[in-house]
Amino acid sequence: EAGVAQSPRYKIIEKRQSVAFWCNPISGHATLYWYQQILGQGPKLLIQFQNNGVVDDSQLPKDRFSAERLKGVDSTLKIQPAKLEDSAVYLCASSKGQVTYEQYFGPGTRLTVT
Amino acid sequence: DAKTTQPPSMDCAEGRAANLPCNHSTISGNEYVYWYRQIHSQGPQYIIHGLKNNETNEMASLIITEDRKSSTLILPHATLRDTAVYYCIVRGTGATNKLIFGTGTLLAVQP
Repeated sequence: EAGVAQSPRYKIIEKRQSVAFWCNPISGHATLYWYQQILGQGPKLLIQFQNNGVVDDSQLPKDRFSAERLKGVDSTLKIQPAKLEDSAVYLCASSKGQVTYEQYFGPGTRLTVT
Repeated sequence: DAKTTQPPSMDCAEGRAANLPCNHSTISGNEYVYWYRQIHSQGPQYIIHGLKNNETNEMASLIITEDRKSSTLILPHATLRDTAVYYCIVRGTGATNKLIFGTGTLLAVQP
């Protein structure tokens, strides 16, 4: 089966610009996650969707980050305006359900803010 | 904060068993131990999980101590492709229980 798809793979922007990332989860997976991974650290959960509803967004900086999952399939994560400290890899993952053990991760989008 | 403690790095010779330790002394009775790994420039990959019994799959074995305060991930015959950061994670089964990644162990398999 096809894995989690993400685009773009790389993005370079200047601070105060906006950027959007796209994720297509594995077909049939109800739960979708966005993680931020800063260099040298483990991934940190930003937001979790169950179908098209938000389960957990406690770590999402809501003044500049937003995410949506229309129709419970694809998802987009947006940053507006970007700061230097947003430079990181943004990972999307999906799983069959909220308490399913295995999360499948995409390759990530590497964002550099200059 | 991560509930686990892992050594920052380990080396292993190709073809030998790699034993990766993890300390989780504050684990609760309903929390599972998960292992994921992340190869350079890729997303994390699930390896195995367990509650209190030892577990084995095609990738690895998980040995959990009787008091559940520590565990060991065993890769029986390490290859160069097993070079990665290995994350040990403790997670409950509630819907909002998240995977909290620490900094993991960088396993370097040497030829």
